[in-house]
Amino acid sequence: NAGVMQNPRHLVRRRGQEARLRCSPMKGHSHVYWYRQLPEEGLKFMVYLQKENIIDESGMPKERFSAEFPKEGPSILRIQQVVRGDSAAYFCASSLIAGGPETQYFGPGTRLLVL
Amino acid sequence: AQSVTQLGSHVSVSEGALVLLRCNYSSSVPPYLFWYVQYPNQGLQLLLKYTSAATLVKGINGFEAEFKKSETSFHLTKPSAHMSDAAEYFCAVSGLGETSGSRLTFGEGTQLTVNP
Repeated sequence: NAGVMQNPRHLVRRRGQEARLRCSPMKGHSHVYWYRQLPEEGLKFMVYLQKENIIDESGMPKERFSAEFPKEGPSILRIQQVVRGDSAAYFCASSLIAGGPETQYFGPGTRLLVL
Repeated sequence: AQSVTQLGSHVSVSEGALVLLRCNYSSSVPPYLFWYVQYPNQGLQLLLKYTSAATLVKGINGFEAEFKKSETSFHLTKPSAHMSDAAEYFCAVSGLGETSGSRLTFGEGTQLTVNP
């Protein structure tokens, strides 16, 4: 059973370009979460999605960032007009159901470097 | 708001020695607590979780943690460290409410070094 898959694993962008990060949850999981890990810091929640719906985007920056989880295909985290401060590791996690004790399974992450 | 605090950003032990990584939580209601491990350039792997079924929780790789409500703590221990335990460890608490119930709030992490 394949785990959570993320691609690309590494992404280099110049300032002002767009970054698209993809996440395929574990088979059967319909709940997806995105977290960001800045250098030397812990993970910070960004957004929680179910199929075709954004449930909680309280951790997402108000500008330039967007996320989707379409009916078909992977979840996408999109960063427009990237800046150097966006350089970080972005992790996707998925769970079978929602709720406090439910385990989230993490992907390997996408490491974004903005030049 | 819920939060966790990990005391000690770096912990160094000798191989075979006891591992103790500290985590204290802040929550107005009984929390769900997790310990994850992250190896270099990899994602997070669940070590164990507390879901109120038992205060002493056993996880993978010989790790365990004890939930102590009176101390608001959930410290991670392993009796004998192995070189392969060298990694970063994160304590996390899950949110409350219909929308935030699945959101994890992480501590800042503790980097464990195991010396031969």
